[in-house]
Amino acid sequence: GQQVMQIPQYQHVQEGEDFTTYCNSSTTLSNIQWYKQRPGGHPVFLIQLVKSGEVKKQKRLTFQFGEAKKNSSLHITATQTTDVGTYFCAFRRMGLRGSARQLTFGSGTQLTVLP
Amino acid sequence: EAGVAQSPRYKIIEKRQSVAFWCNPISGHATLYWYQQILGQGPKLLIQFQNNGVVDDSQLPKDRFSAERLKGVDSTLKIQPAKLEDSAVYLCASSGKRDTQYFGPGTRLTVL
Repeated sequence: GQQVMQIPQYQHVQEGEDFTTYCNSSTTLSNIQWYKQRPGGHPVFLIQLVKSGEVKKQKRLTFQFGEAKKNSSLHITATQTTDVGTYFCAFRRMGLRGSARQLTFGSGTQLTVLP
Repeated sequence: EAGVAQSPRYKIIEKRQSVAFWCNPISGHATLYWYQQILGQGPKLLIQFQNNGVVDDSQLPKDRFSAERLKGVDSTLKIQPAKLEDSAVYLCASSGKRDTQYFGPGTRLTVL
C-alpha cells in the first residue's frame, strides 16, 4: 500500500530558530494539505498544495510540494511560542477509484518551542 | 459563521457499555466525516457522508461502530459494545465545495 512518512516525529527548538517538517510518499499524491493541532485542540487547516513544484507562503510559514508530487515540506522561520503544536500533512491518493477521495493523515511532527 | 459542534466533550464508560456522540456540521456543508484520533497519532477516517449517503466506511469497525446522518445535517456515531482500545478522541469534520475540512472540538472517550 501507499507509504507516507512524516519526519521528524518530535522537534524541540529554541524560540527564534527555524523549523521544518517533511512528508515523503512512495507514490504520487493528488494533493497535500497541512494542518496544525494545538495541545488539547483539534486540527486546523493551514494550506492545500495541488500543483507540482508549488510553493505557498503564510507569513513565517512556507509550504512546498515537490516536483514529482511525492514529497512536501512545511518550514517555519523564526519560531515563536505560539507555533507550539503538532503539524500534520494529509494527502489524497492519485488515480485510485473508490478510496481516492479519502484524506489520510500523516503521523504528525510535534513541535516544542523553548522560550 | 458557527463552527462544527460536538457533544459531549468528554465521556468515561466501562468496557462493554454503549456510547453515542453527536455532531452538527457547519451550515450548508454537504460532506461530514468522523475520525478517530488515538493519542500520539494522526486522525484516522472512520466514515464519510455526502449529504445522508455513505461515501466511505472502509475503516469503520462495523461489528461495534455505527453512524448515521438521517436528514443530511446532524450525525451520530455509536459504539456498542465499547472496548478498551476504543479510548481516543472522536473528531467530526465537515467540508463544503472546497476541499478544506473544518474540525469540531472532539469528544474524548475513556473506556475503563
